[in-house]
Amino acid sequence: NAGVTQTPKFRILKIGQSMTLQCAQDMNHNYMYWYRQDPGMGLKLIYYSVGAGITDKGEVPNGYNVSRSTTEDFPLRLELAAPSQTSVYFCASSYGRGVHTDTQYFGPGTRLTVL
Amino acid sequence: GENVEQHPSTLSVQEGDSAVIKCTYSDSASNYFPWYKQELGKRPQLIIDIRSNVGEKKDQRIAVTLNKTAKHFSLHITETQPEDSAVYFCAASITTSGTYKYIFGTGTRLKVLA
Repeated sequence: NAGVTQTPKFRILKIGQSMTLQCAQDMNHNYMYWYRQDPGMGLKLIYYSVGAGITDKGEVPNGYNVSRSTTEDFPLRLELAAPSQTSVYFCASSYGRGVHTDTQYFGPGTRLTVL
Repeated sequence: GENVEQHPSTLSVQEGDSAVIKCTYSDSASNYFPWYKQELGKRPQLIIDIRSNVGEKKDQRIAVTLNKTAKHFSLHITETQPEDSAVYFCAASITTSGTYKYIFGTGTRLKVLA
C-alpha cells in the first residue's frame, strides 16, 4: 500500500490564484482530514470527511473548499490564494471510529507559499 | 471550545536522561489520546496512544500515562537518544454534533544533546 499520498510537494502561488491540493489513500479508510501547519505551530483542522459525499468544516475552513466523490480521494481547493494561506498542508486518513480504527495516518505534506 | 494544552514548548535533555511532556484536555468525553512524532520536514507519525479505559501504556523506551480525573496525559521517554530529537504532538479525540475528530496540542520541540 502507498498509504496516504499528496501532490504537489511544493507550490508557489501568486495572490488571487487558485489551486487544488490532491490527496489519495489506498487503505479503504472512511475518514479523511485536511490540516494546515504554520511554521513552529501545531496542526489545525481545515475540513474533514466521514465518507464519500460527506464533508464538514474544521477549525479553520475559511478560504478553502473540499469534495469527496470517492472513498480514495479528498482534494482541497484554494479559490483566491492569500499570503495567510502560506503553510504546510497535511492530509490524513483513518478507518473510522472505535478501537483499533482511530489512528490517523498522515500524508507527506504540501508546502505552499503565497506571494 | 475544546482545546488541548501542551507543555513545555521546548525541552533540552542530555543523552541518556528522561524527557516528560504533558498535555491537558478540556473535553471530559475524550476517550483516545495519540502521540505523534514529527521530524524536521517530515509528516507526523504515531508513536504511542492510550485509551480512556487504561491508565498507562508502555512500548520499550516510551510510555504514556493518563489521569482522567485531572484530564492530564503525559509522554515519558527514557534513555533518550539523539534520534529522539523531534517535535512531539499530543492529541485528544472529541465528538461534536455526532462527528469525531482530534484536537492537537501545540507541540514540544525536544532536543537530545549528545
